[in-house]
Amino acid sequence: AQSVAQPEDQVNVAEGNPLTVKCTYSVSGNPYLFWYVQYPNRGLQFLLKYITGDNLVKGSYGFEAEFNKSQTSFHLKKPSALVSDSALYFCAVRDLNQAGTALIFGKGTTLSVSS
Amino acid sequence: EAGVAQSPRYKIIEKRQSVAFWCNPISGHATLYWYQQILGQGPKLLIQFQNNGVVDDSQLPKDRFSAERLKGVDSTLKIQPAKLEDSAVYLCASSLWSSQFTEQFFGPGTRLTVL
Repeated sequence: AQSVAQPEDQVNVAEGNPLTVKCTYSVSGNPYLFWYVQYPNRGLQFLLKYITGDNLVKGSYGFEAEFNKSQTSFHLKKPSALVSDSALYFCAVRDLNQAGTALIFGKGTTLSVSS
Repeated sequence: EAGVAQSPRYKIIEKRQSVAFWCNPISGHATLYWYQQILGQGPKLLIQFQNNGVVDDSQLPKDRFSAERLKGVDSTLKIQPAKLEDSAVYLCASSLWSSQFTEQFFGPGTRLTVL
């Protein structure tokens, strides 16, 4: 079965420091991976995706993610965190076992950036 | 560009009552998804439409949940009768077409509380 795991419930960083939110995946074919962010009382916002090609993917708001096939990981990164980055982050993988194009989400990681 | 619209934003009902949620996707988006997000978990697909046809409803509890997208634009999701475990945020998402590579755009969600 396809799945994603986000091993950390919460990540705490100080403003200006680099941040990493971890994600590992398990798929039976090519992985199509996504990161979304959710602010309180708002829907999920797309940050970036990996389909194929360069292992370093750049996305919105200065975020990037590194795809590592050997470690089956797709960690989200940002060189310098902002307080406004505090939110709930979800890693997701395309569900290739079903007829459609739904996403399978991890349980989410809360990022807290302190000033 | 207007985003995905959902209403109501909040709903409180008693168990065994019925409830309906409405979603209007981004204009021109052929694919529409309904996800259920239980507190502390990532969203889980309930149903996917391509225009007015169902692509995947394998995870929809069909004894109590139903959904339709009659004209291939807006959609309604209904629960009848509701159970306590249906308390969740119901997210609607849309994408331009049904592709493994295309990101989904999410609405703000409807928070359902079943008492």
